[in-house]
Amino acid sequence: DAKTTQPPSMDCAEGRAANLPCNHSTISGNEYVYWYRQIHSQGPQYIIHGLKNNETNEMASLIITEDRKSSTLILPHATLRDTAVYYCIVRASGGSYIPTFGRGTSLIVHP
Amino acid sequence: DAGVIQSPRHEVTEMGQEVTLRCKLISGHNSLFWYRQTMMRGLELLIYFNNNVPIDDSGMPEDRFSAKMPNASFSTLKIQPSEPRDSAVYFCASSFSGARDYGYTFGSGTRLTVV
Repeated sequence: DAKTTQPPSMDCAEGRAANLPCNHSTISGNEYVYWYRQIHSQGPQYIIHGLKNNETNEMASLIITEDRKSSTLILPHATLRDTAVYYCIVRASGGSYIPTFGRGTSLIVHP
Repeated sequence: DAGVIQSPRHEVTEMGQEVTLRCKLISGHNSLFWYRQTMMRGLELLIYFNNNVPIDDSGMPEDRFSAKMPNASFSTLKIQPSEPRDSAVYFCASSFSGARDYGYTFGSGTRLTVV
């Protein structure tokens, strides 16, 4: 798996956009970028994933640079409930996929 | 669907005792993963089953740990004998083999404390 690098912590004001960066400079052509988050005392939850195009769903947007060496997860209007640890993972998709989690970014959304 | 169900939610036991953690998969899922989470080591994969067969147990810390899938919808993780360093939150997750990650669902975890 390609290694990912994330800042250990970030903070964001409620109602503002939270932009969480991830570096994955050794990503291979068939590897996707996945984002999960873990709210305190719960198991990780899938957020979004992408290959090279930007993606958006009801939870977040994913922006992947053209060279695919980095990406940004965007929570457009952060709420207090978005306070969590966010994990960026890079791995080839398919049946043998087993998410391996690093330390992630601890996002604190404050009033 | 009630999601992945783990029991108990909390377990406190004395060193040397046997501990059994339980996990019920989501109906239709055929892959099962056990993870352990601690402050020091983060979230670690312990073992992975596909269609009831253990595929990768390289993350199991030592022989004191064992995991089984007696049927397609249920799994146990046993620690015998337990030690204080086993204290952690243990998560199981299930998925349908071949699905993308939105098919990969975690339970709420079991917080184990060994005193």
